[in-house]
Amino acid sequence: EPEVTQTPSHQVTQMGQEVILRCVPISNHLYFYWYRQILGQKVEFLVSFYNNEISEKSEIFDDQFSVERPDGSNFTLKIRSTKLEDSAMYFCASGLGTDQETQYFGPGTRLLVL
Amino acid sequence: QKEVEQNSGPLSVPEGAIASLNCTYSDRGSQSFFWYRQYSGKSPELIMSIYSNGDKEDGRFTAQLNKASQYVSLLIRDSQPSDSATYLCAVNDYKLSFGAGTTVTVRA
Repeated sequence: EPEVTQTPSHQVTQMGQEVILRCVPISNHLYFYWYRQILGQKVEFLVSFYNNEISEKSEIFDDQFSVERPDGSNFTLKIRSTKLEDSAMYFCASGLGTDQETQYFGPGTRLLVL
Repeated sequence: QKEVEQNSGPLSVPEGAIASLNCTYSDRGSQSFFWYRQYSGKSPELIMSIYSNGDKEDGRFTAQLNKASQYVSLLIRDSQPSDSATYLCAVNDYKLSFGAGTTVTVRA
């Protein structure tokens, strides 16, 4: 069964450094998403992406964040200058895009900013 | 952000019992609702979706939707220890808005 994959599974970085989180969505999906979950808190929407552009973004997704689909398979989230409060689990998801379509989640990248 | 509220639990049920989980949402216009299960340290995993008022059954799981009351519930019948997890209610309006989750512990 196709699945969303993410790399790395864990990332430790120093405050102020740039990180890139990578995702390979399910191949026939058209919509791609990033969510994050701070430890002990709810899963929060960051951004959705369709047809090579951002469809919607949350207040969390400020100028420090960017997304890109550099080729036909990868979908990346870049955090330009990490802060302590960026420490969280980051989940990529993909789906066919209507509000009734399921979004399938990858296993997540645990980011720790020191 | 649309508000989705869940009883935080924890909810402890004996093996074989029914676990009942509740969720309310703020936007009366919401149409699509999902229940996900999340094991500790893992990603959300879809249990089921519901779009129409009434009940929807899938194996041991039954989702119930009442749009007039802005209320979604999930029943887990014949609870098993493997059902011990956090259950997330989500509203989909082209992005998912999650509740904080209800942690369920099934006692053997």
